[in-house]
Amino acid sequence: DVKVTQSSRYLVKRTGEKVFLECVQDMDHENMFWYRQDPGLGLRLIYFSYDVKMKEKGDIPEGYSVSREKKERFSLILESASTNQTSMYLCASSLAHYEEQYFGPGTRLTVT
Amino acid sequence: KQEVTQIPAALSVPEGENLVLNCSFTDSAIYNLQWFRQDPGKGLTSLLLIQSSQREQTSGRLNASLDKSSGRSTLYIAASQPGDSATYLCAVRPGSARQLTFGSGTQLTVLP
Repeated sequence: DVKVTQSSRYLVKRTGEKVFLECVQDMDHENMFWYRQDPGLGLRLIYFSYDVKMKEKGDIPEGYSVSREKKERFSLILESASTNQTSMYLCASSLAHYEEQYFGPGTRLTVT
Repeated sequence: KQEVTQIPAALSVPEGENLVLNCSFTDSAIYNLQWFRQDPGKGLTSLLLIQSSQREQTSGRLNASLDKSSGRSTLYIAASQPGDSATYLCAVRPGSARQLTFGSGTQLTVLP
């Protein structure tokens, strides 16, 4: 079974802090994705990566950056957290970009 | 721009009933379509993936159909159970894109 894990289920940070969200997959998948999910707005893609050190912006990349130094790990970075980044963050991976996406359990981030 | 709509937003049925969830999309040039289940506060669980060349896919009590020309997919759940209560999301992959476009989901409640 594919397993996608995220470093924290719940996280509380203060405005202006630098925040790291980590995602690890154990199936040697090429593609990894970061989404955020908000009530009324659904899931929106922030960034994705199709190979080590390769990344592409999604629909809402502003205020975020990503890092993929190893194939199994994809990090989302909030350079200076703001209250409007309070959200559920979901990581996903897939073997090829057109194949099934598998999601992690999510991180509920609250920025106060 | 691809838009994905799921109607109704919420559905409540008695246990044992067969039911259909609907998903429509505006651009028929899709590569594939994926159905997910999401329990409250959790990540997404992949249910079925239908390629654009397929008409349907089955897994246990679930059957998903795809009619690309009309921009519609349905998820059929047979003999519903209280454990099926969750939000069901559909997502399409536009032909040239790596990322998925999600609908806003149908919240299903199966009453014992």
